Amino acid sequence: AQRVTQPEKLLSVFKGAPVELKCNYSYSGSPELFWYVQYSRQRLQLLLRHISRESIKGFTADLNKGETSFHLKKPFAQEEDSAMYYCALQQYSGGGADGLTFGKGTHLIIQP
Amino acid sequence: ETGVTQSPTHLIKTRGQQVTLRCSSQSGHNTVSWYQQALGQGPQFIFQYYREEENGRGNFPPRFSGLQFPNYSSELNVNALELDDSALYLCASSLIYVPGELFFGEGSRLTVL
Repeated sequence: AQRVTQPEKLLSVFKGAPVELKCNYSYSGSPELFWYVQYSRQRLQLLLRHISRESIKGFTADLNKGETSFHLKKPFAQEEDSAMYYCALQQYSGGGADGLTFGKGTHLIIQP
Repeated sequence: ETGVTQSPTHLIKTRGQQVTLRCSSQSGHNTVSWYQQALGQGPQFIFQYYREEENGRGNFPPRFSGLQFPNYSSELNVNALELDDSALYLCASSLIYVPGELFFGEGSRLTVL
């Protein structure tokens, strides 16, 4: 069964410090991974997807198949990065793309 | 372009009752999926609809059912409510050929007493 693990429930860092939100997955096939973010009083929204290999709001995430990880990183944290972050893995069944398996989330707090 | 809207935002039911939650997809999206988010947990996939048919389902019992309408709006129905059904129910719309890129609504908070 596929699984997404975010080991940190809460991560607090100071403004300007580097940030790394950890995500590990378990999946037998070729994984497609995403990071979703929920800012205070806003809806859950897509931050980035690994196949795009893009940087969004200064965040990047690299898929490491050897370590089965997809950690989210930012070199210099900003106060507006404070939010709930979820790592997610695309599911596939016989009928094609299915839903997403989400981790439990990491609450990131950026202290001034 | 309107985003995903859900109704009602909050509701309270008692054990054994039935509930219907509604969702209006983002304009142009042909796929809708529903997620259950319990307190302190990540969203958990319930099912997905495309072309008015269920084409994917998570580990939820048959008392969770849904509908998708020709205008791509959707309903989630839950029968015989249990206390553990208390959660935030999220609707998400997307395009079938762009899996994983979901646009979420704000959710319907269900409390079962």
